[in-house]
Amino acid sequence: DAGVTQSPTHLIKTRGQHVTLRCSPISGHKSVSWYQQVLGQGPQFIFQYYEKEERGRGNFPDRFSARQFPNYSSELNVNALLLGDSALYLCASSLRAPSSYNEQFFGPGTRLTVL
Amino acid sequence: AQRVTQPEKLLSVFKGAPVELKCNYSYSGSPELFWYVQYSRQRLQLLLRHISRESIKGFTADLNKGETSFHLKKPFAQEEDSAMYYCALSGREYGNKLVFGAGTILRVKS
Repeated sequence: DAGVTQSPTHLIKTRGQHVTLRCSPISGHKSVSWYQQVLGQGPQFIFQYYEKEERGRGNFPDRFSARQFPNYSSELNVNALLLGDSALYLCASSLRAPSSYNEQFFGPGTRLTVL
Repeated sequence: AQRVTQPEKLLSVFKGAPVELKCNYSYSGSPELFWYVQYSRQRLQLLLRHISRESIKGFTADLNKGETSFHLKKPFAQEEDSAMYYCALSGREYGNKLVFGAGTILRVKS
């Protein structure tokens, strides 16, 4: 298994545009979480999905949305991009709903640059 | 409010010296604490978690609820320990989402 995969690796957009980031969890994992990592900071929680339902949302504006598909893959959508959305977006999967007993495995991330 | 503070952006030590990466937290409830590590050109991965009370790659961390700290320690640093280290917490009260600190770069010099 290649682990958690994310696409694309890098992305350049301009302000006001829309972006879709994709994540495929480890085979058998049913939970996906999304994090934003701005340069010089730790990852910040955006969304958590388990069994295709939203289980948690971080302090992000409504421009950010996500969904999980029947095959447990996930998309993160960001509308009306701002310069401040430039960051590394990380996806993590876990076997069951995240808890201290279910390790989250991270993908390599998608580097988004907004010009 | 949940918060994780890692006061050092960079910690530089010589090979064989002891290492202590500091982590302090703020949390209302019963937190679970973790250390994540990111080696050069690799993805973020779990190093250890306090509930397991384990030692991984010679690293240990003890949860001190009185001081709200979860410092990461290793008695003798090795060059391959050089990496970015993140302290994180989660808890049932907040849906088990991970809250990360800003991270500390550990450089082990030969």
